Amino acid sequence: AQSVSQHNHHVILSEAASLELGCNYSYGGTVNLFWYVQYPGQHLQLLLKYFSGDPLVKGIKGFEAEFIKSKFSFNLRKPSVQWSDTAEYFCAVLTAGNKLTFGGGTRVLVKP
Amino acid sequence: GAGVSQSPSNKVTEKGKDVELRCDPISGHTALYWYRQSLGQGLEFLIYFQGNSAPDKSGLPSDRFSAERTGGSVSTLTIQRTQQEDSAVYLCASSSGRGPREAFFGQGTRLTVV
Repeated sequence: AQSVSQHNHHVILSEAASLELGCNYSYGGTVNLFWYVQYPGQHLQLLLKYFSGDPLVKGIKGFEAEFIKSKFSFNLRKPSVQWSDTAEYFCAVLTAGNKLTFGGGTRVLVKP
Repeated sequence: GAGVSQSPSNKVTEKGKDVELRCDPISGHTALYWYRQSLGQGLEFLIYFQGNSAPDKSGLPSDRFSAERTGGSVSTLTIQRTQQEDSAVYLCASSSGRGPREAFFGQGTRLTVV
């Protein structure tokens, strides 16, 4: 069965610092990849997605992610975070059969 | 509707009672997912419906959990004989058609079993 691993459970950083959240998945077939974000008190929202083409995808609010097939990874990055980026971030993989599997999430706290 | 709607938003129930959680997906979306989000945990897959196909029930944690989707639209997740460990936020998501599509989430139902 497919699985998704997010390496960091909690990340604390200051405004303007760079952010990188790791995501690895285990599935040998074709995958579609997502990062979702859950701001405090809000529902899950799509941050960005990869279906095909350029492995470097750009999402909302200055986030980007790079799909590295050989490493089964889809890490999320932002060069300079803001206090408003405080949230929980989830990596997800959509595999054949349309099963959408999520990682355990990473709580990010940005200190002003 | 404009988004995925879940009801109730909060539910407190006594241990041993049955509960029903409802999800109204986005109109026209044929795929519907249920997930459970427990404190400090990720999103645990429960069940997936796609059109008229047999649902993928591989994530249901026990036979106390069941779900149905009527008319390819509204879905109900039923938990029988609730236990305290069932306390969690239950999330519903829907997506359109087959192939790679993003899923849109509802606000969730926070279930507390006392």
